[in-house]
Amino acid sequence: GENVGLHLPTLSVQEGDNSIINCAYSNSASDYFIWYKQESGKGPQFIIDIRSNMDKRQGQRVTVLLNKTVKHLSLQIAATQPGDSAVYFCAEDAYNQGGKLIFGQGTELSVKP
Amino acid sequence: ETGVTQSPTHLIKTRGQQVTLRCSSQSGHNTVSWYQQALGQGPQFIFQYYREEENGRGNFPPRFSGLQFPNYSSELNVNALELDDSALYLCASSPGLAGGYTDTQYFGPGTRLTVL
Repeated sequence: GENVGLHLPTLSVQEGDNSIINCAYSNSASDYFIWYKQESGKGPQFIIDIRSNMDKRQGQRVTVLLNKTVKHLSLQIAATQPGDSAVYFCAEDAYNQGGKLIFGQGTELSVKP
Repeated sequence: ETGVTQSPTHLIKTRGQQVTLRCSSQSGHNTVSWYQQALGQGPQFIFQYYREEENGRGNFPPRFSGLQFPNYSSELNVNALELDDSALYLCASSPGLAGGYTDTQYFGPGTRLTVL
């Protein structure tokens, strides 16, 4: 479903460790996926994206993995820093959705110094 | 290059009033999407405008309406405000490479609307 629930899952990691944030998406027709980072009081910030013809994409310190068989997406952050603390959302899109991004529940990442 | 900007930053209205929120898209982008984000939840799609035409609409009542102008800036209008309309309203722009679909959307900082 879309954005159900008010209690965000929380991931707490030590500074310097790697973080993995998971997301299950809903629409098997979705062919474009984006990870966003949202800090308190700000709009979502684009991190990385992947299209359905790929299963892995790497950016600077971040990697997105896509498993279409089980409709699962993950974001890996290497050497997590205090500045990475935020809520992370996955979003899915499909050509037949009229431009609508469907956002996942969100995961709150807390980095301990 | 200027990113997506929104105005005002904050707004307080009373129930039954009308509100207009504004968005300037990123340079070179012709598509604007609007989202509503309630506290503790992910953004919910309201509608999208591509080259001044409504391109898609989410599950919001007709009292939510919008416009896109020739310079691709956009307005979101909400009539007959209800308490549940209190939220962060986000605007996102995208290049419109595929008619606005499956296009990377870049968000502005949002307008925080409080309805009393």
